[in-house]
Amino acid sequence: DAKTTQPPSMDCAEGRAANLPCNHSTISGNEYVYWYRQIHSQGPQYIIHGLKNNETNEMASLIITEDRKSSTLILPHATLRDTAVYYCIVERDSGYALNFGKGTSLLVTP
Amino acid sequence: DSGVTQTPKHLITATGQRVTLRCSPRSGDLSVYWYQQSLDQGLQFLIQYYNGEERAKGNILERFSAQQFPDLHSELNLSSLELGDSALYFCASKDDRASGNTIYFGEGSWLTVV
Repeated sequence: DAKTTQPPSMDCAEGRAANLPCNHSTISGNEYVYWYRQIHSQGPQYIIHGLKNNETNEMASLIITEDRKSSTLILPHATLRDTAVYYCIVERDSGYALNFGKGTSLLVTP
Repeated sequence: DSGVTQTPKHLITATGQRVTLRCSPRSGDLSVYWYQQSLDQGLQFLIQYYNGEERAKGNILERFSAQQFPDLHSELNLSSLELGDSALYFCASKDDRASGNTIYFGEGSWLTVV
């Protein structure tokens, strides 16, 4: 059973914020939310992760709802190079493998 | 650059043959993961090693095997190759010093079986 639900595709205009939603309504208290992206045929790239609090780094912001049942990845100023498949993953801090679903294919347009 | 190194980057071989893919994890990372990505499938977890020991198995075929050596590099061995084994094979390593389960991927090895 998939732990996360993401829209299959989204568009965003260059320079605008890209807001990618993820639903994880069955998340457990000890499970983190991870975001990765994969630019065509390259290795998946780690973006950000969080447990309860919102997080921000140089790439993106992660907003997790108070009930932790959903989250949003925000790319504040999308560029053409942000066109990629974005994966939202929920997993414990167990050291076990992350399971990637189908993700959201984000297309940034000029 | 994630710090995870994979070789070779591209490989073409015939059906029935055997190949070895090599991975060097990030310095200090003890965990190594192997994933397969084919055109009609997403990223599929194959196998994980931690400090030389097998830790978890995913959708790995019996024709495939892996090991992690004392210097922590890992090899994925693919034998009796079939056309359907053509795929991108990724290696990843985990930052055991940070919170969470963050893993970092290499750029992959493209395997084409003809």
